[in-house]
Amino acid sequence: GEEVAQTPKHLVRGEGQKAKLYCAPIKGHSYVFWYQQVLKNEFKFLISFQNENVFDETGMPKERFSAKCLPNSPCSLEIQATKLEDSAVYFCASSPRGVLTHGYTFGSGTRLTVV
Amino acid sequence: AQTVTQSQPEMSVQEAETVTLSCTYDTSESDYYLFWYKQPPSRQMILVIRQEAYKQQNATENRFSVNFQKAAKSFSLKISDSQLGDAAMYFCAFQGAQKLVFGQGTRLTINP
Repeated sequence: GEEVAQTPKHLVRGEGQKAKLYCAPIKGHSYVFWYQQVLKNEFKFLISFQNENVFDETGMPKERFSAKCLPNSPCSLEIQATKLEDSAVYFCASSPRGVLTHGYTFGSGTRLTVV
Repeated sequence: AQTVTQSQPEMSVQEAETVTLSCTYDTSESDYYLFWYKQPPSRQMILVIRQEAYKQQNATENRFSVNFQKAAKSFSLKISDSQLGDAAMYFCAFQGAQKLVFGQGTRLTINP
């Protein structure tokens, strides 16, 4: 399709529970990016993929966050043992040609609330 | 590391007037893109305008234009004939060899 599809739109988890978010990039886009937008609007880069390979993971809190992009499956971002500060909107974006390009297409985000 | 700074947390403008949102950035890269994204309350990220660093001509998209000053590392957004639908958060973003880096955002209010 021509849009980046993120599911679910909203997710509520108790502190300590696992959360899993999904992203289907635009068909033909080989780069996928995950960003976290906290409630004060700041965007934090988490991780990027080139196809199924990790391209840049410098933003990932490695202890509890993990991500995958497997062939023929939506990409996923998983948070083990969620904490209150993980509450945020998680955006996925994709691009066709690489990092330095005309701009990413963003999904509509998944709002994660940890209670 | 690249940084992007938006020094105006909030701006307001009268409907039909013109407003300019400021953005500065810091980088040692020579090849990069700059963007302005609009984020309405729905949280959807909408690309407003882009500028390639190697182009001297300022980008324009209908009522939106930029003032790109490469030497000063400045990239401001001008919105002409402001409309109520322009009300949103606006994010300036820098894209170099690694990833997209966002500024802190400016909340734009349009007064009818």
